[in-house]
Amino acid sequence: GENVEQHPSTLSVQEGDSAVIKCTYSDSASNYFPWYKQELGKRPQLIIDIRSNVGEKKDQRIAVTLNKTAKHFSLHITETQPEDSAVYFCAASGRGSTLGRLYFGRGTQLTVWP
Amino acid sequence: NAGVMQNPRHLVRRRGQEARLRCSPMKGHSHVYWYRQLPEEGLKFMVYLQKENIIDESGMPKERFSAEFPKEGPSILRIQQVVRGDSAAYFCASSPTQRDLNTEAFFGQGTRLTVV
Repeated sequence: GENVEQHPSTLSVQEGDSAVIKCTYSDSASNYFPWYKQELGKRPQLIIDIRSNVGEKKDQRIAVTLNKTAKHFSLHITETQPEDSAVYFCAASGRGSTLGRLYFGRGTQLTVWP
Repeated sequence: NAGVMQNPRHLVRRRGQEARLRCSPMKGHSHVYWYRQLPEEGLKFMVYLQKENIIDESGMPKERFSAEFPKEGPSILRIQQVVRGDSAAYFCASSPTQRDLNTEAFFGQGTRLTVV
C-alpha cells in the first residue's frame, strides 16, 4: 500500500513568519493529496488539496506544491498567526482508491508564537 | 446539512466489554470510512463501507473488530472484548455517491474511546 512520510514532526515559528511542511509518498498511482488541520480534541478539517494534474495551488495564505516525479508535496503557510497553531496532516489517495480512503502522514505540530 | 455525526463523543469501557461507535454520514453520502487515531499519531484507515456492503476492510484487525452500514440507520463500528490498546479516537468520514472520484471526504467529530 501507499506510505506517506511527513516532516518535521514539530515546527515552531514566530508570528508573521512562514511555515513549510513536507511529505513524500511511495505509490506513483496516488492522484489526490489533501492537507488537514486538526485542533486539539477536534476533527480533522480539510484546508487545501491538490490533484496530480496540477503542480501548485494557492488559497490566501496557504499554498500546496506537488512534484510528481519526486513524489513529494509541501504545504506552505505565509504570514502565520497564532490561530494557525494545530496539528497538520498530509495524505495521499493511494492506488485505485475511491476518495476518502486516504493514507496519512504522522502529523506536524505547528506552534506559532505571538 | 448537519455534517457527519458520530456518537457518543466519549466512551469509557472496562476491559472485556463491548464498544459500539455510531456514524451517520452527511445527507446524500453513501460511502463511509472509519479511521483510528492513536495518541500523537496520524489517522489509520480501518474500513470502507457502502450501504449493506463492506468494500475494503484491509485496515481492520482480524479479531474483535467489525463494521456494518445497514440499509437504514447509521454505520456501526463494533469492538468486542476491548483491551487498553483499543483506546484511541475513532473518526468516521463520508463522501458522495458520485462516480467522479477525488472529492473531499468529510470527517465527523470522532469518538474518543478509553478502556480502563
